[in-house]
Amino acid sequence: GAVVSQHPSRVICKSGTSVKIECRSLDFQATTMFWYRQFPKKSLMLMATSNEGSKATYEQGVEKDKFLINHASLTLSTLTVTSAHPEDSSFYICSALARLTSGNTDTQYFGPGTRLTVL
Amino acid sequence: AQSVTQPDIHITVSEGASLELRCNYSYGATPYLFWYVQSPGQGLQLLLKYFSGDTLVQGIKGFEAEFKRSQSSFNLRKPSVHWSDAAEYFCAVDTNQAGTALIFGKGTTLSVSS
Repeated sequence: GAVVSQHPSRVICKSGTSVKIECRSLDFQATTMFWYRQFPKKSLMLMATSNEGSKATYEQGVEKDKFLINHASLTLSTLTVTSAHPEDSSFYICSALARLTSGNTDTQYFGPGTRLTVL
Repeated sequence: AQSVTQPDIHITVSEGASLELRCNYSYGATPYLFWYVQSPGQGLQLLLKYFSGDTLVQGIKGFEAEFKRSQSSFNLRKPSVHWSDAAEYFCAVDTNQAGTALIFGKGTTLSVSS
């Protein structure tokens, strides 16, 4: 249980264009999802918390107008990188919060990640 | 401030040898602790987690971790490493005990030699 998918797994785009990344919880509903960014050989940096039906909460230093997050359903959150630039190239990972029947607390389950390259 | 330290950036272990990856945390209350593994180009897979109770936690793929409050540590162990265990390992602490505020260590890269 608790499978999270991301699409696409890899995307290359031109500078100035926008890119949408989807994060889906496949076998559970998630009212809360998270978007992380990971630089090479670095840990994960939380960008924002996505809550179904409400506005996302962004971490300090993350531009909300550049990284648009929409969590329109209990199984889907999207991250749109607007007017992408080469410095936005990175590995973006989402996670979804779930409480499995075998557990007694919420745990984040991660998607496989999306490699974004902006030329 | 809450933090997670993984002192070893890179470890190489011979296949079949035992493994211990270190993790130290700084957190005022009882921590919720996690170990995740990331294969190249992949997302993170949960290996195991500690919330309370028995301080020795069993996880998937033959991994276990021991919570030691006195040492503020949550080290990951495996008695016999397989070549497929080569990956990046992240320790994380949940700072609000609700799963919504994970702080990750910088990771330890595990290489397995034959």
